[in-house]
Amino acid sequence: QKEVEQDPGPLSVPEGAIVSLNCTYSNSAFQYFMWYRQYSRKGPELLMYTYSSGNKEDGRFTAQVDKSSKYISLFIRDSQPSDSATYLCAMSVYGNNRLAFGKGNQVVVIP
Amino acid sequence: GAGVSQSPRYKVAKRGQDVALRCDPISGHVSLFWYQQALGQGPEFLTYFQNEAQLDKSGLPSDRFFAERPEGSVSTLKIQRTQQEDSAVYLCASSPTSVGTQYFGPGTRLTVL
Repeated sequence: QKEVEQDPGPLSVPEGAIVSLNCTYSNSAFQYFMWYRQYSRKGPELLMYTYSSGNKEDGRFTAQVDKSSKYISLFIRDSQPSDSATYLCAMSVYGNNRLAFGKGNQVVVIP
Repeated sequence: GAGVSQSPRYKVAKRGQDVALRCDPISGHVSLFWYQQALGQGPEFLTYFQNEAQLDKSGLPSDRFFAERPEGSVSTLKIQRTQQEDSAVYLCASSPTSVGTQYFGPGTRLTVL
């Protein structure tokens, strides 16, 4: 079993819909949780960064962390065609900044 | 400002050839990471440098993989006697501190025939 599980199934949504993505993890030592966006043929770009449990909002993006359930989520409101990309969850342990990534979710927002 | 750059962007190698992949981190960034991203997968950690010191190489898949950062700036990932399973995108990331945000380069896509 991988440390970080992310259902890699592609997701197609109409423009304006809410996109909901999630990851589960097994390592209870993870304390830093991130979501990266990766466009085709590009490197990952940091989207959201949260520490420990709780919610964080940035514009149309909301990240949630539930450490008791070892579950993190990303919500994208009012999705736009420019949001079409692969979204990767990533996490790390305090004092060790190697990132453990999920497989990624390919999201397509249809105009 | 300039981000992380990697060269070459694409590399085709015949099985058994040696390859060298270059990473130019953001100027002044202390930490540098290499990740391997297979098709349809998330990046997998390979190795980590703090300045010129290689502090973690636990993710290197075999002794055919070697990384260096001799002056604490540019880094090179070398793969000897390439195999087909080495085909992947190799991503480099740098960070201003030992625990800060990692900024990724565009990657080098390696195809081993």
